[in-house]
Amino acid sequence: GESVGLHLPTLSVQEGDNSIINCAYSNSASDYFIWYKQESGKGPQFIIDIRSNMDKRQGQRVTVLLNKTVKHLSLQIAATQPGDSAVYFCAEGTGTASKLTFGTGTRLQVTL
Amino acid sequence: GAVVSQHPSWVICKSGTSVKIECRSLDFQATTMFWYRQFPKQSLMLMATSNEGSKATYEQGVEKDKFLINHASLTLSTLTVTSAHPEDSSFYICSARVSALYGYTFGSGTRLTVV
Repeated sequence: GESVGLHLPTLSVQEGDNSIINCAYSNSASDYFIWYKQESGKGPQFIIDIRSNMDKRQGQRVTVLLNKTVKHLSLQIAATQPGDSAVYFCAEGTGTASKLTFGTGTRLQVTL
Repeated sequence: GAVVSQHPSWVICKSGTSVKIECRSLDFQATTMFWYRQFPKQSLMLMATSNEGSKATYEQGVEKDKFLINHASLTLSTLTVTSAHPEDSSFYICSARVSALYGYTFGSGTRLTVV
């Protein structure tokens, strides 16, 4: 389940299940959104992005959903694997040339 | 794909000394690079935007005289932490905008520990 508090929110899922990671963004003017995966001690790794003229985009085992009405972004990972264990961040920007603002992050723990 | 090489990956320095972190774009030209700081279990916080050939733009609350940024070429940006103190200990990450099509790519980060 999820936990929120002084520590990073954590989502625990069993291997093979689907994961859904949520993100609320703050700037209604943002039109470019990215999901990143960060493993311990490493820089962020690009997963998938979406522009505001779309509400859904699919990649390999991942889907990003965008709901501009409520300023909500989600990342769905199908058939979660142990290698998916990491911290996931959403980021928002205005166009693809602007600076990015990162969300607080969610730690995904995949249990066997 | 577009790669940003960041060095060193970790550094330990004494309080009061300065540390330089380099970020190089290996197979593309980066007119704009971004520098982030990340404390444990926290998100990435943008410190400054580095533009080739011009002065960096610092975010509110970031001391530009303490965190010196130089972007002298299209493939190299450096961040120098001057007169480092233990509270500057953090994970520093650079990023570059690759293109409108490919978005951004990130360096592998530098773990700075000031003792």
